[in-house]
Amino acid sequence: DTGVSQDPRHKITKRGQNVTFRCDPISEHNRLYWYRQTLGQGPEFLTYFQNEAQLEKSRLLSDRFSAERPKGSFSTLEIQRTEQGDSAMYLCASSLEGANRKYFGPGTRLTVL
Amino acid sequence: DAKTTQPPSMDCAEGRAANLPCNHSTISGNEYVYWYRQIHSQGPQYIIHGLKNNETNEMASLIITEDRKSSTLILPHATLRDTAVYYCIVRSADNQGGKLIFGQGTELSVKP
Repeated sequence: DTGVSQDPRHKITKRGQNVTFRCDPISEHNRLYWYRQTLGQGPEFLTYFQNEAQLEKSRLLSDRFSAERPKGSFSTLEIQRTEQGDSAMYLCASSLEGANRKYFGPGTRLTVL
Repeated sequence: DAKTTQPPSMDCAEGRAANLPCNHSTISGNEYVYWYRQIHSQGPQYIIHGLKNNETNEMASLIITEDRKSSTLILPHATLRDTAVYYCIVRSADNQGGKLIFGQGTELSVKP
């Protein structure tokens, strides 16, 4: 069990640029979640996958955000035309279906200048 | 999923028990209480969960009142490494997707 990994850990970009983050879940976990966390707030749910199917998306996930999990293993979260309000920590978590415990990665901190 | 209320911050002396309260007065019968914590610059970490009965594991104890409207997370011998934000989350067993709805949590500072 190597844990959930995320890459990159930090990303600084200019407003209007596109960015992509990667999450590698624990290998046998079929569920994968994305959250966003701004300073001083708890994590906010964005979306989740069961295997390769994206089963739920939050209203927070605007049209500029897209997430994929093409082979049911790693996932990517892309933000197009970034805005300063997108600056946040993006967290990934994974679990087995029906399991009570979720395992979170260390997050990717995005700063939009 | 029911809403939870936690104090924004608490202090605890190193070596003493830390008792973190959570109010979930609108909890329904099939909703579980979960606790996660988040150490600075890390992702959240699962601590414990329960439905009705008190629970204990290697990290903490969870005490749920008989009416289930509140609970307390107990760290029996707090260390400096327990300094973190602690989140109390209520999640329905019908929540098939398993997503967690976080509040603002309690920032626990363990002091020497």
